[in-house]
Amino acid sequence: SSELTQDPAVSVALGQTVKIKCQGDSLRTYYPTWYQQRPGQAPVLVISVKNSRPSGIPDRFSGSSSGDTASLTITGAQVEDEADYYCHSRDSSGDRSVFGGGTKLTVL
Amino acid sequence: QVQLQQWGAGLLKPSETLSLTCAVNGGSFSGHYWSWIRQPPGKGLEWIGEINHSGTANYNPSLKSRVIISVDTSKTQFSLKVNSVTAADTAVYYCARTFMIGFGELLQIHYHYVMDVWGQGTAVTVSS
Repeated sequence: SSELTQDPAVSVALGQTVKIKCQGDSLRTYYPTWYQQRPGQAPVLVISVKNSRPSGIPDRFSGSSSGDTASLTITGAQVEDEADYYCHSRDSSGDRSVFGGGTKLTVL
Repeated sequence: QVQLQQWGAGLLKPSETLSLTCAVNGGSFSGHYWSWIRQPPGKGLEWIGEINHSGTANYNPSLKSRVIISVDTSKTQFSLKVNSVTAADTAVYYCARTFMIGFGELLQIHYHYVMDVWGQGTAVTVSS
């Protein structure tokens, strides 16, 4: 399968915890990475190899995977976290990249 | 610190060829894949394809018949061409560096493909 499924939109109260999910068969072999995209800007890597955070990404961002489902968790969401979030992986053959449809996060 | 600088024509007519180039400044050109991704207005990210320093390319099957990705290692640049464009090709186009890591876990081999550096994006509009 070459599809990654995300919820289109999620909301969270300021300071609370939110989990953004990504589902796809290929995630069992090709672990995901996560990207944040603010309006008018290029995507930014927020969760990398083995759920590590690149330099400069706050530690309120964390990732996890189990079977065919991966999650991006923001613990203590801030106003600046309001953005679109995309999971990324490969298709089952490993030859092609694929993105989830994206989740729009609103911080209330 | 690696930076990607991209450029190309921003306004095309239907049936013309889209042409973009991405320059890699700093870091190693080998050992990575160099990717193109696009984002139509108001929509999500779509992977177009990738190429390594040896010229081995992979493409999105939905675009493969119209797309060519090439590499110029002497200039540390890679390029995208999309033939016979239509309004559906209107999008912001991004270049990105991709690396792959494989590791063993629970008696299985797993992989990460990571797009860790992105270009600034180029808006391309196709209109008559």
